[in-house]
Amino acid sequence: SQTIHQWPATLVQPVGSPLSLECTVEGTSNPNLYWYRQAAGRGLQLLFYSVGIGQISSEVPQNLSASRPQDRQFILSSKKLLLSDSGFYLCAWRTSGNYNEQFFGPGTRLTVL
Amino acid sequence: LAKTTQPISMDSYEGQEVNITCSHNNIATNDYITWYQQFPSQGPRFIIQGYKTKVTNEVASLFIPADRKSSTLSLPRVSLSDTAVYYCLVGVKIKAAGNKLTFGGGTRVLVKP
Repeated sequence: SQTIHQWPATLVQPVGSPLSLECTVEGTSNPNLYWYRQAAGRGLQLLFYSVGIGQISSEVPQNLSASRPQDRQFILSSKKLLLSDSGFYLCAWRTSGNYNEQFFGPGTRLTVL
Repeated sequence: LAKTTQPISMDSYEGQEVNITCSHNNIATNDYITWYQQFPSQGPRFIIQGYKTKVTNEVASLFIPADRKSSTLSLPRVSLSDTAVYYCLVGVKIKAAGNKLTFGGGTRVLVKP
């Protein structure tokens, strides 16, 4: 069966520090991968998606970036965090089947102080 | 992407049926209607999808009228553990490239004892 991992689960970082969040998927190959951010009490905002190794599409211009160095690994990064980067970061994947069914990871709660 | 409108919140009691209606007046011919459930501090979970008429699974039922301009998610005999945010989305089911699910604010359902 397929599983998706995210780490760390929680993170507290000072403003201006770098960020690296990792997401890995097991049990599937060539998945579409997604990074979302959710502010407290709000809906999900799509940040990046990837249809293959090295292929990244950005949905929102900001100080975040994403990379996909391996088929089942998706990394979200920042060189300098802002206070507004605080939120719940979710990684998701889907196969080439049902376009509307994405599977989400457990999330990383990031607090920027 | 068709825009969806759903109530911000709903309260219910254990054992009652909860019906959440979502409006999607601009739904396209190829669009499917999908519902996700999100518990606090977790990623959303796909619960049901439909195109027309009625769809039922072990979690919920989805009612879609003939004009498809709205849909109703029905949760039978809710329990406290059904307290969550429920998101209604519309989009095509099959696409070669990465899809972009648009999550609105959702409906916050609170089940009381």
